[in-house]
Amino acid sequence: GENVEQHPSTLSVQEGDSAVIKCTYSDSASNYFPWYKQELGKGPQLIIDIRSNVGEKKDQRIAVTLNKTAKHFSLHITETQPEDSAVYFCAASRIAAGNKLTFGGGTRVLVKP
Amino acid sequence: KAGVTQTPRYLIKTRGQQVTLSCSPISGHRSVSWYQQTPGQGLQFLFEYFSETQRNKGNFPGRFSGRQFSNSRSEMNVSTLELGDSALYLCASSLARQTENSPLHFGNGTRLTVT
Repeated sequence: GENVEQHPSTLSVQEGDSAVIKCTYSDSASNYFPWYKQELGKGPQLIIDIRSNVGEKKDQRIAVTLNKTAKHFSLHITETQPEDSAVYFCAASRIAAGNKLTFGGGTRVLVKP
Repeated sequence: KAGVTQTPRYLIKTRGQQVTLSCSPISGHRSVSWYQQTPGQGLQFLFEYFSETQRNKGNFPGRFSGRQFSNSRSEMNVSTLELGDSALYLCASSLARQTENSPLHFGNGTRLTVT
């Protein structure tokens, strides 16, 4: 089955700096890659996603890149703010597999003011 | 529009008992999935229901089961509870089964503690 590895497990950045989280996946048939943000006491919230036919997607301060050949995708957060502090999860799935997502282990991001 | 609602928020049960968790999806969403979140294993897929039928199942023992009603509300049941079942159980809903076109929206979960 699919295996998703996520690095780093913790990330501390100064407010205004950029944060980068990287994930690798094992199943070459995976074609949908969402990123979720989870705040304390809440469920994961989708922040951005990308399909395998797209190499990069951007939404304001957040961007995701995908390298299908290397089976690698990354989340980039620019101009970080204290409210960006949370746990971030990457995930992968085959669209044909419906709503079965395989998640990475998570990255705890701390933005220091 | 109301989000995914899970009840109860917290549960404490004793080993050997059984438990039922409830999930009300976003209005109009027909697919409901369940995930288990623990510090050690992370987020793991349990099962997915669509139109009252289980469409996909993760690698969990048969003690874990679920169902979906005609109004798309879903319940999951865990029988013969073990200490290792202590976790945050998350329900997620989407319009359809294809996550590409209808992303998963998660509820805030039910925190189950087994003593």
